[in-house]
Amino acid sequence: EVQLVESGGGLVKPGGSLRLSCAGSGFTFSSYGMKWVRQALGKGLEWVSSISSSGSDKYYADLVRGRFTISRDNAKNSLYLQMNSLRAEDTAVYYCASEQWPFGSWGQGTLVTVSS
Amino acid sequence: DIQMTQSPSSVSASVGDRVTITCRASQDISTWLAWYQQKPGKAPKLLIYTASNLQRGVPSRFSGSGSGTEFTLTISSLQPEDFATYYCQQAHSFPRTFGQGTKLDIK
Repeated sequence: EVQLVESGGGLVKPGGSLRLSCAGSGFTFSSYGMKWVRQALGKGLEWVSSISSSGSDKYYADLVRGRFTISRDNAKNSLYLQMNSLRAEDTAVYYCASEQWPFGSWGQGTLVTVSS
Repeated sequence: DIQMTQSPSSVSASVGDRVTITCRASQDISTWLAWYQQKPGKAPKLLIYTASNLQRGVPSRFSGSGSGTEFTLTISSLQPEDFATYYCQQAHSFPRTFGQGTKLDIK
């Protein structure tokens, strides 16, 4: 069974850091580009960052560039999002998903709350 | 950046109705478009990719069409489980962008 499981969310103060993880299973993780997408409560979907299958190419939304870093460890079938200098507006559920179609699986999401 | 504009933002319909949602891109994206369905508290679910390809396991009442800048998602005969929010997303270039969503609810 194909699965993506996010972890690492939680409550953090403004200016703080958090590292999200996404563990993939049931598929050849190293063959797929991956992405992070977030959704603030009651709002729409917002693309955050993507990484190629090898990890050599990385892309960021303007709102997070310079603060967030995407990475992956194909030996561990894992995707990461290092989030620094967090702001209240980064509060959202963060999902990991494949960049490539027709791979359609998304994780269940992990909630990040930035508040003092 | 490519802007994606969905219409309508919300629509009320009844079981058995035919519903069409439109997504317009601010520039030509060929067929690099996906449609997602999202229910409250759940992750998005891929319905259609490359504008018109039905994801495996998705009922055939869902269909997508279009290319260039104008795309449509059609549900031919609404079922109770179809009431949800629908998003389009372009994968032509970075940054990836989503439409603002269309909430489909029961009339």
